[in-house]
Amino acid sequence: QKEVEQDPGPLSVPEGAIVSLNCTYSNSAFQYFMWYRQYSRKGPELLMYTYSSGNKEDGRFTAQVDKSSKYISLFIRDSQPSDSATYLCAMSEGSTGTASKLTFGTGTRLQVTL
Amino acid sequence: NAGVMQNPRHLVRRRGQEARLRCSPMKGHSHVYWYRQLPEEGLKFMVYLQKENIIDESGMPKERFSAEFPKEGPSILRIQQVVRGDSAAYFCASSPRDVSDTQYFGPGTRLTVL
Repeated sequence: QKEVEQDPGPLSVPEGAIVSLNCTYSNSAFQYFMWYRQYSRKGPELLMYTYSSGNKEDGRFTAQVDKSSKYISLFIRDSQPSDSATYLCAMSEGSTGTASKLTFGTGTRLQVTL
Repeated sequence: NAGVMQNPRHLVRRRGQEARLRCSPMKGHSHVYWYRQLPEEGLKFMVYLQKENIIDESGMPKERFSAEFPKEGPSILRIQQVVRGDSAAYFCASSPRDVSDTQYFGPGTRLTVL
């Protein structure tokens, strides 16, 4: 069993839709949770970073963490064609030392159509 | 402020040759991480370095792979006697001195082994 599970998609939605992306994890030691966006043949771009359970909002993006269920989500409101990319969840056990390495999901490919 | 820089962006090697990948972290960042992304897979942690120190190399293959981050100059990931299975995208990330949980990625080096 992988430490982090993420549906690879592809997920196709019309412009303006609300997108929900999810990851589950098995390692209860994970404390820090991130979402990255990766365009084709580019490096991952940090979108959201959260530590505690609950919601964090930044513009059209909302990250949600439920540590009791080992489940994290990213919501994108009013999706745009420019949001078409692969979305990677990532997590770590700590912020310093050997615990700071990131464990990634395999990524969900999102396509927003006109 | 320039982001994380990696070079070369594309590297072609024949089996048995050596590959050297370079990473210059963001200004003010003293922590460097290397990740590998195989086709259709997520990013996998390889090694975490600070200046002149390897902090965590638990993701490095036991043979042929090495990494360094000297006092002066970029971090280097070296792969000796490359094989076709080494073909992948290699990403470098950097983080600030005391906040290792926020990692910023470079554009990657795409290695192709013929």
